[in-house]
Amino acid sequence: GENVEQHPSTLSVQEGDSAVIKCTYSDSASNYFPWYKQELGKRPQLIIDIRSNVGEKKDQRIAVTLNKTAKHFSLHITETQPEDSAVYFCAVVSGYALNFGKGTSLLVTP
Amino acid sequence: DAGITQSPRYKITETGRQVTLMCHQTWSHSYMFWYRQDLGHGLRLIYYSAAADITDKGEVPDGYVVSRSKTENFPLTLESATRSQTSVYFCATGQGREKLFFGSGTQLSVL
Repeated sequence: GENVEQHPSTLSVQEGDSAVIKCTYSDSASNYFPWYKQELGKRPQLIIDIRSNVGEKKDQRIAVTLNKTAKHFSLHITETQPEDSAVYFCAVVSGYALNFGKGTSLLVTP
Repeated sequence: DAGITQSPRYKITETGRQVTLMCHQTWSHSYMFWYRQDLGHGLRLIYYSAAADITDKGEVPDGYVVSRSKTENFPLTLESATRSQTSVYFCATGQGREKLFFGSGTQLSVL
Protein backbone atom coordinates (compact mmCIF):
# COMPACT_ATOMS: atom_id res chain seq x y z
CA GLY A 1 0.00 0.00 0.00
CA GLU A 2 0.85 3.68 0.06
CA ASN A 3 3.98 4.32 2.11
CA VAL A 4 3.45 6.95 4.81
CA GLU A 5 6.35 8.13 6.92
CA GLN A 6 5.57 10.14 10.05
CA HIS A 7 8.03 12.15 12.15
CA PRO A 8 8.85 12.57 14.92
CA SER A 9 7.70 9.48 16.77
CA THR A 10 7.69 11.39 20.06
CA LEU A 11 7.47 15.09 20.76
CA SER A 12 7.55 16.95 24.04
CA VAL A 13 6.70 20.65 24.27
CA GLN A 14 6.01 23.18 26.97
CA GLU A 15 2.47 24.40 27.39
CA GLY A 16 1.90 27.38 25.12
CA ASP A 17 4.53 26.36 22.58
CA SER A 18 3.77 25.13 19.07
CA ALA A 19 4.03 21.54 17.86
CA VAL A 20 4.60 20.36 14.30
CA ILE A 21 4.26 16.81 13.01
CA LYS A 22 5.20 15.91 9.46
CA CYS A 23 4.20 13.09 7.12
CA THR A 24 5.60 12.17 3.75
CA TYR A 25 3.95 9.95 1.17
CA SER A 26 4.97 8.33 -2.08
CA ASP A 27 1.94 8.28 -4.41
CA SER A 28 1.64 11.58 -6.26
CA ALA A 29 -2.00 10.73 -7.08
CA SER A 30 -3.00 10.92 -3.41
CA ASN A 31 -5.59 13.65 -2.87
CA TYR A 32 -6.92 13.35 0.69
CA PHE A 33 -4.88 13.83 3.88
CA PRO A 34 -6.51 13.45 7.32
CA TRP A 35 -5.13 13.68 10.83
CA TYR A 36 -6.47 11.63 13.73
CA LYS A 37 -5.98 12.14 17.46
CA GLN A 38 -6.00 9.27 19.90
CA GLU A 39 -6.06 9.97 23.61
CA LEU A 40 -4.82 7.29 25.97
CA GLY A 41 -7.18 4.32 26.02
CA LYS A 42 -9.57 5.94 23.56
CA ARG A 43 -10.45 5.53 19.91
CA PRO A 44 -8.78 7.53 17.12
CA GLN A 45 -10.85 10.57 16.12
CA LEU A 46 -10.59 12.74 13.02
CA ILE A 47 -9.47 16.25 13.94
CA ILE A 48 -8.73 17.85 10.58
CA ASP A 49 -8.31 16.91 6.94
CA ILE A 50 -7.25 18.54 3.71
CA ARG A 51 -7.69 17.85 0.03
CA SER A 52 -5.07 18.29 -2.64
CA ASN A 53 -6.66 21.39 -4.15
CA VAL A 54 -5.98 23.32 -0.93
CA GLY A 55 -2.61 24.26 0.48
CA GLU A 56 -3.64 25.01 4.07
CA LYS A 57 -6.61 24.53 6.35
CA LYS A 58 -7.14 25.89 9.85
CA ASP A 59 -9.50 25.05 12.67
CA GLN A 60 -8.88 27.16 15.76
CA ARG A 61 -5.49 26.10 17.15
CA ILE A 62 -4.82 23.35 14.65
CA ALA A 63 -3.84 23.62 11.01
CA VAL A 64 -2.71 21.31 8.26
CA THR A 65 -0.43 22.33 5.41
CA LEU A 66 0.16 20.39 2.22
CA ASN A 67 3.07 20.49 -0.19
CA LYS A 68 2.08 18.31 -3.12
CA THR A 69 5.30 18.93 -5.00
CA ALA A 70 7.41 17.63 -2.14
CA LYS A 71 4.74 15.07 -1.17
CA HIS A 72 4.47 15.98 2.47
CA PHE A 73 1.85 17.42 4.79
CA SER A 74 2.10 18.67 8.33
CA LEU A 75 -0.04 19.16 11.40
CA HIS A 76 0.51 22.38 13.32
CA ILE A 77 -0.81 22.89 16.84
CA THR A 78 -0.39 26.37 18.30
CA GLU A 79 -0.66 27.45 21.94
CA THR A 80 -0.50 23.86 23.08
CA GLN A 81 -2.43 22.80 26.17
CA PRO A 82 -2.08 19.69 28.37
CA GLU A 83 -5.24 18.25 26.79
CA ASP A 84 -3.42 18.18 23.46
CA SER A 85 -1.30 15.34 24.86
CA ALA A 86 -2.16 12.31 22.73
CA VAL A 87 -0.97 10.19 19.83
CA TYR A 88 -1.51 11.79 16.44
CA PHE A 89 -1.78 9.81 13.21
CA CYS A 90 -1.61 11.03 9.66
CA ALA A 91 -3.12 8.97 6.87
CA VAL A 92 -3.27 8.72 3.11
CA VAL A 93 -5.80 6.94 0.96
CA SER A 94 -4.35 3.74 -0.45
CA GLY A 95 -6.68 1.83 -2.73
CA TYR A 96 -10.01 1.64 -0.92
CA ALA A 97 -8.81 2.40 2.60
CA LEU A 98 -6.77 4.77 4.71
CA ASN A 99 -3.13 3.87 5.29
CA PHE A 100 -1.89 5.35 8.57
CA GLY A 101 1.48 6.58 9.68
CA LYS A 102 2.97 5.00 12.79
CA GLY A 103 1.93 7.86 15.01
CA THR A 104 3.49 10.68 17.03
CA SER A 105 3.18 10.71 20.79
CA LEU A 106 2.82 14.36 21.85
CA LEU A 107 3.36 15.33 25.46
CA VAL A 108 2.51 18.85 26.57
CA THR A 109 4.02 19.69 29.93
CA PRO A 110 2.62 22.49 32.13
CA ASP B 1 -19.93 7.72 18.80
CA ALA B 2 -22.91 5.56 19.70
CA GLY B 3 -23.34 4.77 15.99
CA ILE B 4 -20.54 2.21 15.98
CA THR B 5 -20.10 -0.38 18.69
CA GLN B 6 -17.59 -3.15 19.20
CA SER B 7 -17.80 -6.17 21.44
CA PRO B 8 -16.32 -7.50 23.55
CA ARG B 9 -14.29 -4.65 25.01
CA TYR B 10 -11.72 -7.08 26.43
CA LYS B 11 -11.03 -10.69 25.54
CA ILE B 12 -8.54 -13.23 26.81
CA THR B 13 -8.17 -16.48 24.93
CA GLU B 14 -5.70 -19.30 24.39
CA THR B 15 -3.65 -20.17 21.35
CA GLY B 16 -5.53 -22.30 18.86
CA ARG B 17 -9.00 -21.11 19.86
CA GLN B 18 -11.39 -19.42 17.49
CA VAL B 19 -12.38 -15.89 18.44
CA THR B 20 -14.92 -13.57 16.86
CA LEU B 21 -14.90 -9.82 17.38
CA MET B 22 -18.12 -8.01 16.63
CA CYS B 23 -18.70 -4.64 15.02
CA HIS B 24 -22.07 -2.97 14.51
CA GLN B 25 -22.94 0.42 13.01
CA THR B 26 -26.28 2.19 12.84
CA TRP B 27 -25.54 4.75 10.11
CA SER B 28 -25.92 2.39 7.12
CA HIS B 29 -22.47 3.43 5.96
CA SER B 30 -21.19 1.50 2.97
CA TYR B 31 -17.62 1.05 4.12
CA MET B 32 -16.39 -0.84 7.14
CA PHE B 33 -12.81 -1.59 8.15
CA TRP B 34 -10.83 -3.62 10.64
CA TYR B 35 -7.51 -2.29 11.89
CA ARG B 36 -5.13 -3.64 14.48
CA GLN B 37 -3.02 -1.35 16.61
CA ASP B 38 0.36 -2.42 17.93
CA LEU B 39 3.09 -0.34 19.54
CA GLY B 40 5.52 0.82 16.92
CA HIS B 41 3.27 -0.13 14.03
CA GLY B 42 0.41 2.31 14.28
CA LEU B 43 -2.87 1.22 12.72
CA ARG B 44 -2.65 -1.53 10.15
CA LEU B 45 -5.54 -2.57 7.93
CA ILE B 46 -6.66 -6.19 8.21
CA TYR B 47 -9.76 -6.29 6.01
CA TYR B 48 -12.28 -3.89 4.62
CA SER B 49 -15.71 -4.03 3.06
CA ALA B 50 -17.18 -1.65 0.50
CA ALA B 51 -20.72 -3.00 0.85
CA ALA B 52 -22.66 -6.03 2.00
CA ASP B 53 -21.15 -9.23 0.58
CA ILE B 54 -18.06 -7.35 -0.68
CA THR B 55 -14.86 -7.76 1.32
CA ASP B 56 -11.18 -7.49 0.53
CA LYS B 57 -7.81 -7.97 2.17
CA GLY B 58 -5.76 -5.22 3.69
CA GLU B 59 -2.12 -5.12 4.71
CA VAL B 60 -2.17 -7.91 7.35
CA PRO B 61 -5.00 -10.38 6.57
CA ASP B 62 -3.32 -13.69 7.40
CA GLY B 63 -5.09 -15.65 10.14
CA TYR B 64 -8.27 -13.57 9.93
CA VAL B 65 -11.64 -14.08 8.26
CA VAL B 66 -14.43 -11.56 7.77
CA SER B 67 -17.97 -11.60 6.52
CA ARG B 68 -20.58 -8.95 5.78
CA SER B 69 -23.99 -10.46 5.21
CA LYS B 70 -25.69 -7.29 6.49
CA THR B 71 -24.64 -3.67 5.98
CA GLU B 72 -24.58 -2.94 9.71
CA ASN B 73 -22.40 -5.84 10.87
CA PHE B 74 -18.79 -6.70 10.10
CA PRO B 75 -17.46 -9.48 12.35
CA LEU B 76 -13.79 -10.40 12.43
CA THR B 77 -12.85 -14.01 13.20
CA LEU B 78 -9.49 -15.34 14.26
CA GLU B 79 -9.72 -18.94 13.10
CA SER B 80 -6.92 -20.27 15.31
CA ALA B 81 -5.56 -17.55 17.56
CA THR B 82 -1.81 -17.07 17.90
CA ARG B 83 0.18 -14.96 20.38
CA SER B 84 1.17 -12.61 17.57
CA GLN B 85 -2.50 -11.68 17.28
CA THR B 86 -2.47 -10.11 20.73
CA SER B 87 -3.41 -6.54 19.89
CA VAL B 88 -6.04 -3.84 20.08
CA TYR B 89 -8.55 -4.20 17.27
CA PHE B 90 -10.49 -1.24 15.94
CA CYS B 91 -13.47 -1.36 13.67
CA ALA B 92 -14.20 1.76 11.64
CA THR B 93 -16.86 2.91 9.25
CA GLY B 94 -17.50 5.73 6.79
CA GLN B 95 -19.68 6.70 3.86
CA GLY B 96 -16.54 6.16 1.81
CA ARG B 97 -12.93 5.55 2.64
CA GLU B 98 -12.56 9.03 4.17
CA LYS B 99 -13.72 10.60 7.44
CA LEU B 100 -13.74 7.34 9.34
CA PHE B 101 -15.47 6.83 12.67
CA PHE B 102 -13.80 4.30 14.92
CA GLY B 103 -15.33 1.99 17.48
CA SER B 104 -14.03 1.85 21.05
CA GLY B 105 -11.76 -1.07 20.28
CA THR B 106 -11.32 -4.63 21.51
CA GLN B 107 -8.25 -5.44 23.54
CA LEU B 108 -7.38 -9.07 22.75
CA SER B 109 -4.84 -11.13 24.65
CA VAL B 110 -3.84 -14.54 23.34
CA LEU B 111 -2.09 -16.64 25.98
